[in-house]
Amino acid sequence: RKEVEQDPGPFNVPEGATVAFNCTYSNSASQSFFWYRQDCRKEPKLLMSVYSSGNEDGRFTAQLNRASQYISLLIRDSKLSDSATYLCVVNPNNLFFGTGTRLTVIP
Amino acid sequence: NAGVTQTPKFQVLKTGQSMTLQCAQDMNHEYMSWYRQDPGMGLRLIHYSVGAGITDQGEVPNGYNVSRSTTEDFPLRLLSAAPSQTSVYFCASSYSDGGGNAETQYFGPGTRLLVL
Repeated sequence: RKEVEQDPGPFNVPEGATVAFNCTYSNSASQSFFWYRQDCRKEPKLLMSVYSSGNEDGRFTAQLNRASQYISLLIRDSKLSDSATYLCVVNPNNLFFGTGTRLTVIP
Repeated sequence: NAGVTQTPKFQVLKTGQSMTLQCAQDMNHEYMSWYRQDPGMGLRLIHYSVGAGITDQGEVPNGYNVSRSTTEDFPLRLLSAAPSQTSVYFCASSYSDGGGNAETQYFGPGTRLLVL
């Protein structure tokens, strides 16, 4: 079983839409959780950490559900610039990356 | 700060050739790691290091060697390149928590390797 599983998408949404990504992880001892963003042919960059109480950064909201072992990312009021691949990352000791969910925001 | 730098950006090898991918960071991070990224597979950890003189294997270490003689540098060596090693390679660094685990990782721009 993979450490981290994500729906690969693609998600194609119109500008202004709200879109949500989910990710499940297998190791219940995982301590840290992150969402990274990766643009085409670029390196991954940290989007936000995910805290137990949930956290928000502008239009982005991350949630953690330890009981069900999943994390989520909600993007409100999608912009064209949000088009990218979003990687779910879980850290039981080393970082394990999901395969990513591709988002395309359409004008 | 240059952050994490990688060289070369692109490389073409013939099967059986050896080469070293260079990685350097100027953030004084203890933790450094190498990943490969393949379509549909995501990022997979090859080797990592929690400090100078300490290295360990990740998920897919076969065919690769690493060393960490300084805090700044973490080269990845391909001993005898195979077509299956065609991939994009990312080096990353981070601080580590008290238990030697990686915190938020900063990635280099990647090396695109083609093995013929």
